[in-house]
Amino acid sequence: DTGVSQNPRHKITKRGQNVTFRCDPISEHNRLYWYRQTLGQGPEFLTYFQNEAQLEKSRLLSDRFSAERPKGSFSTLEIQRTEQGDSAMYLCASSLGTSKETQYFGPGTRLLVL
Amino acid sequence: GDSVTQMEGPVTLSEEAFLTINCTYTATGYPSLFWYVQYPGEGLQLLLKATKADDKGSNKGFEATYRKETTSFHLEKGSVQVSDSAVYFCALTSGNTPLVFGKGTRLSVIA
Repeated sequence: DTGVSQNPRHKITKRGQNVTFRCDPISEHNRLYWYRQTLGQGPEFLTYFQNEAQLEKSRLLSDRFSAERPKGSFSTLEIQRTEQGDSAMYLCASSLGTSKETQYFGPGTRLLVL
Repeated sequence: GDSVTQMEGPVTLSEEAFLTINCTYTATGYPSLFWYVQYPGEGLQLLLKATKADDKGSNKGFEATYRKETTSFHLEKGSVQVSDSAVYFCALTSGNTPLVFGKGTRLSVIA
């Protein structure tokens, strides 16, 4: 079991550019979550998938954000036309999908928008 | 909606001191409660959890008891080490909902 992995670990981009992050969950986990964490704050929920279906999206997820999980395995999170306010740590987590189960987190992707 | 409130830091302790980080919650239904730890530059690691009232979660010398009557899940450790320096997050989930986190408490342990 290799745990949840995320790539890249760090991303620096200029305002207005598009960025894409990838998350590979633990292999037998069918739920996958995206969270955003800004400095000095706890993670905030963005969206989650049950297999390939995107079941819930937070109000934090503006129309510049899109997430996919095409085959129910890895997921991508794309931010279009990045803004400086998008600078944050983007965390991915996965779980088995049973009620109140533990979510296991990846190392995160730290985004800096200049 | 569900929410978590934890004591603000930073908390600075000497090695071998006793640690308490307070956490209280509001939730509909009967949530599961978690403590996660985040070391500098890393993601979150599960420290311990409890799924029902009066359960005690424990790991690496840390403990927390699910207190339904006081809606609390305080984190304790009898003797902290320098290596425990990190940010600690209290969190909950109700049913199949995403995790709701507190703002985190930074702990610094000095030798």
